Amino acid sequence: QVQVVQSGAEVREPGASVKVSCKASGYTFTNFGISWVRQAPGQGLEWMGWISGYNGNINYAQKIQGRVTMTTETSTNTAYMELRSLRSDDTAVYYCARDLASSPERGDYWGQGTLVTVSS
Amino acid sequence: DIQMTQSPSSLSASVGDRVTITCRASQSVGSYLNWYQQKPGKAPNLLIYGASSLQSGVPSRFSGSGSGTDFTLTISSLQPEDFATYYCQQSYSNPLTFGQGTKVEI
Repeated sequence: QVQVVQSGAEVREPGASVKVSCKASGYTFTNFGISWVRQAPGQGLEWMGWISGYNGNINYAQKIQGRVTMTTETSTNTAYMELRSLRSDDTAVYYCARDLASSPERGDYWGQGTLVTVSS
Repeated sequence: DIQMTQSPSSLSASVGDRVTITCRASQSVGSYLNWYQQKPGKAPNLLIYGASSLQSGVPSRFSGSGSGTDFTLTISSLQPEDFATYYCQQSYSNPLTFGQGTKVEI
């Protein structure tokens, strides 16, 4: 069965970086992509970007482009999202979701979420 | 960016009710419209993709319709497990954007 499992909660100070992992199983990793979505406390969903597991193509939301890097490690079926220069408004639950390989379209299997808290 | 506006922001309903949630895009998104259900403390769950295609495993009481700028999610007979927040999302252009959510309460 398809599973997507994320790394655990993180606490960072403002200005630091965080790297969240997303390990997939139960499907062929290179046949799909991974999208990243975040949700600030009590707020709605915000799409951050997508990476293809097939060819490594990437789309980032312009709002965070320059601070975010998404990568994949096909040998371990794992995707990573690194966010730099953290601010207090980056405090959120970060989700990864399986998506299409060709372009970001829909997340059909989601990770459990990773809470990132940015606080001094 | 394409703005997605849902209405209502919240609604109260009873078990067995027919519930309709609307989503309007600031420009045409064709049929690139998805619907998700999210329960407190949980990840979103894909219900409908491509405006009207039912995701595998989702009960048939959920249906979606619309194209262009106006879309609807309908729950034909509300069940206790359907009390949640529902989001629409356009995947026509980057950045993909979500509506603000509709909370369905008892």
